[in-house]
Amino acid sequence: GAVVSQHPSRVICKSGTSVKIECRSLDFQATTMFWYRQFPKQSLMLMATSNEGSKATYEQGVEKDKFLINHASLTLSTLTVTSAHPEDSSFYICSARDWAEAEKLFFGSGTQLSVL
Amino acid sequence: SQKIEQNSEALNIQEGKTATLTCNYTNYSPAYLQWYRQDPGRGPVFLLLIRENEKEKRKERLKVTFDTTLKQSLFHITASQPADSATYLCALELGSGYSTLTFGKGTMLLVSP
Repeated sequence: GAVVSQHPSRVICKSGTSVKIECRSLDFQATTMFWYRQFPKQSLMLMATSNEGSKATYEQGVEKDKFLINHASLTLSTLTVTSAHPEDSSFYICSARDWAEAEKLFFGSGTQLSVL
Repeated sequence: SQKIEQNSEALNIQEGKTATLTCNYTNYSPAYLQWYRQDPGRGPVFLLLIRENEKEKRKERLKVTFDTTLKQSLFHITASQPADSATYLCALELGSGYSTLTFGKGTMLLVSP
């Protein structure tokens, strides 16, 4: 199946700093990528849908100025958590669809963000 | 409101037995339903997809059923192994095209030797 690479896997930062998370589709082109957040023992919550070459679509309640998404190419989407605070600490996961297997989602390995 | 329910309590079974996990949903009429496996600290991995016109789908030791009248899917792992220990998520999509997936909270399966 398709491979989605996500980096970094873990990041610890100070409150007020910004953190960038990268998501790459390695062997396919992804015009659409999805960013999820997951708190312990909770379900994956969709934050935004990232579309190549256009603005991301954010879910209700997700601050677009805080969670900046850039999808500049068909294989790369980035999520930047700006001015991070301890409440932003969470597990962030990206996913993408491969047009050849369009119904499935292929997920990155996730990024555990801890804001001190 | 739309809701997906999975048993929040962990399922503990012995190696070799069949594990059965349940996914119930309300207020959906999904075109298909998917099951994913998630290991701690990792992203989910796709396992099986079953469409609304299919009652059962199999893949190796995995079997999924889909009852659109009961609004329920059952996920079975036969001859379970300790390596099957993980959290299993069901996910629904509302229709064709590329609408987004909504996930249940998942059920943790623990298979003891």
